[in-house]
Amino acid sequence: ETGVTQSPTHLIKTRGQQVTLRCSSQSGHNTVSWYQQALGQGPQFIFQYYREEENGRGNFPPRFSGLQFPNYSSELNVNALELDDSALYLCASSQQGAGYNEQFFGPGTRLTVL
Amino acid sequence: DAKTTQPNSMESNEEEPVHLPCNHSTISGTDYIHWYRQLPSQGPEYVIHGLTSNVNNRMASLAIAEDRKSSTLILHRATLRDAAVYYCILRDSRDDKIIFGKGTRLHILP
Repeated sequence: ETGVTQSPTHLIKTRGQQVTLRCSSQSGHNTVSWYQQALGQGPQFIFQYYREEENGRGNFPPRFSGLQFPNYSSELNVNALELDDSALYLCASSQQGAGYNEQFFGPGTRLTVL
Repeated sequence: DAKTTQPNSMESNEEEPVHLPCNHSTISGTDYIHWYRQLPSQGPEYVIHGLTSNVNNRMASLAIAEDRKSSTLILHRATLRDAAVYYCILRDSRDDKIIFGKGTRLHILP
């Protein structure tokens, strides 16, 4: 069974640029959630995708967007990067519709905005 | 907002039991109590969850107060590898997202 993987592991961008982060969900999982974790803080929920549709969103502006593909992998896109977007971005996969659905997290992508 | 209250940090000696407290006075009937932990430079990992009864698994035990307004995560014999941030989370059974607080940073002393 393959766990959740994310790419790239580290990324450096400048203000105003756009970035795409990728997540491959655990085998058999149909749901992907994205979280932003600033230094010293707990992860903050960005949004969730279930069967290629957005299924809930946290308090993040529209410049944070996502996609989920038929194989349940997912992308997080951030436009017009700001310095405060520097953080660890985590994705988590789970299987909805199968009773209790524990979320399995990937190792994260560390984004630095200069 | 997170609906739980945890101490910012705790210390314990290696090979001793650790009791991590969590207060959740506004818990609703459909909220499950979850614990996740985050080891350094890793994503969070699931530890344990429960609704009303105490729960045990290979990693830990979860003791839930009778009124469900507080709970305690018990690590029976802490090792250095248990040093992490431990998050206590309430999660509605109808909702898949996780609302994290700041958690408790657990330091294990050799």
